[in-house]
Amino acid sequence: KAGVTQTPRYLIKTRGQQVTLSCSPISGHRSVSWYQQTPGQGLQFLFEYFSETQRNKGNFPGRFSGRQFSNSRSEMNVSTLELGDSALYLCASSRRDSTDTQYFGPGTRLTVL
Amino acid sequence: GQQVMQIPQYQHVQEGEDFTTYCNSSTTLSNIQWYKQRPGGHPVFLIQLVKSGEVKKQKRLTFQFGEAKKNSSLHITATQTTDVGTYFCARNTDKLIFGTGTRLQVFP
Repeated sequence: KAGVTQTPRYLIKTRGQQVTLSCSPISGHRSVSWYQQTPGQGLQFLFEYFSETQRNKGNFPGRFSGRQFSNSRSEMNVSTLELGDSALYLCASSRRDSTDTQYFGPGTRLTVL
Repeated sequence: GQQVMQIPQYQHVQEGEDFTTYCNSSTTLSNIQWYKQRPGGHPVFLIQLVKSGEVKKQKRLTFQFGEAKKNSSLHITATQTTDVGTYFCARNTDKLIFGTGTRLQVFP
C-alpha cells in the first residue's frame, strides 16, 4: 500500500498571504488529521476529518481551516499568514479516528517571510 | 492540563550504552502510544500500551506502562546509530496529545 502523501513538500510565503496544503491518505483510511510541528511548541493537533466532516479540532485560530473530499483526500488552508506559522505541517491518516494509530506523511515545510 | 511531559529533553549516548525516556501525565491515561521521528523525517508509530503495568518488547526496545497508568517509559538496550531520532509518547483523549519528545543522539 502506498503511504500518506503530501504536497507540496516545501513552501515559502510572505506574511499576509494564504496557503493550501494537500494530503492523500492511505487507501482505505477515512480519518485524516493535521498536526503542526515547531521547535518551540512541538507536535500540536490541528483538526481531524472523517467522511468529509470535521470531527475534532485543536486550539488554533480560525485562520486555520481544512476540508476533506469524498475520496478522503484532505486540504488545509491557512489565511493571513504570520511569521509564527512557519512550521512543518504533518498529515496523518488512520482507519477509525484521531486516537487510532496515526500514519504520517512526510510533511510540508512552510516558511513565512 | 493535558500536556504530557517527557524527560529528558535531550540525551547523548555512546553507541552501546542504554537509553531511557520517561513520559509523565498528571491524569490517568486510557492508553499511550509511542512514535519515533528520525531527523528530517516524520513520526512513525512504534507501539501502543493499554493495560496497567503492561510491558512490551520490540527487539532492543522495551516499553512499559505504569501501574497507575500515569506514566510510561521506553528503554533501548545497547543503542545503535540507527536509534538516533526523537521519541514521542502520545496520550489518547478525543485526539492524540503528543509529549514534548526526547531527542536521542548516539555517538559511534
